[in-house]
Amino acid sequence: ETGVTQTPRHLVMGMTNKKSLKCEQHLGHNAMYWYKQSAKKPLELMFVYNFKEQTENNSVPSRFSPECPNSSHLFLHLHTLQPEDSALYLCASSQGTGPSSGDTEAFFGQGTRLTVV
Amino acid sequence: RKEVEQDPGPFNVPEGATVAFNCTYSNSASQSFFWYRQDCRKEPKLLMSVYSSGNEDGRFTAQLNRASQYISLLIRDSKLSDSATYLCVVNNQAGTALIFGKGTTLSVSS
Repeated sequence: ETGVTQTPRHLVMGMTNKKSLKCEQHLGHNAMYWYKQSAKKPLELMFVYNFKEQTENNSVPSRFSPECPNSSHLFLHLHTLQPEDSALYLCASSQGTGPSSGDTEAFFGQGTRLTVV
Repeated sequence: RKEVEQDPGPFNVPEGATVAFNCTYSNSASQSFFWYRQDCRKEPKLLMSVYSSGNEDGRFTAQLNRASQYISLLIRDSKLSDSATYLCVVNNQAGTALIFGKGTTLSVSS
């Protein structure tokens, strides 16, 4: 049990579908993140939220739309995805954001394995 | 230059061996450095932070060279359970998030 829970664990969707990924953290952290992990590529940062405010969008296409209603929940809304968007989507949380190592240790959820057909 | 660069391996070593992983990073302003471990089809988990003076945690030793922008991880007396992918991680320019290397795969065999 990592304290960060993601649902669903697996998702198959068509290119015309709309779906949402959900992340919940039970650690009392203020910052939450979406990362994408594709085969043979490093984890790619997608979005950062700090105290519910989006502080970073790493040039992510608009077919990915994040939502952070509160510090404990983070969603990733998906629509008109492409097959190359198939990947493991990982949510993470940390106490805060900042240069101190104590602030930025990230705890990850188990991820949602997404397949776009 | 990639933000965080690692030799992907794989490193195949016998039990008991000593193995070293290296990593370079491009952002000279980075302040936080970590090694994460990721098991197959699992999420990454923090292995250890890396401090300027170098630090040790049991069989694991991490070193940081800020001048060369270089981080290392040394594993002594390798165990079968050490088999995993080791991710070099630094914080980004704004200090707001972690940037991951591709990872180095280690396979320890009996």
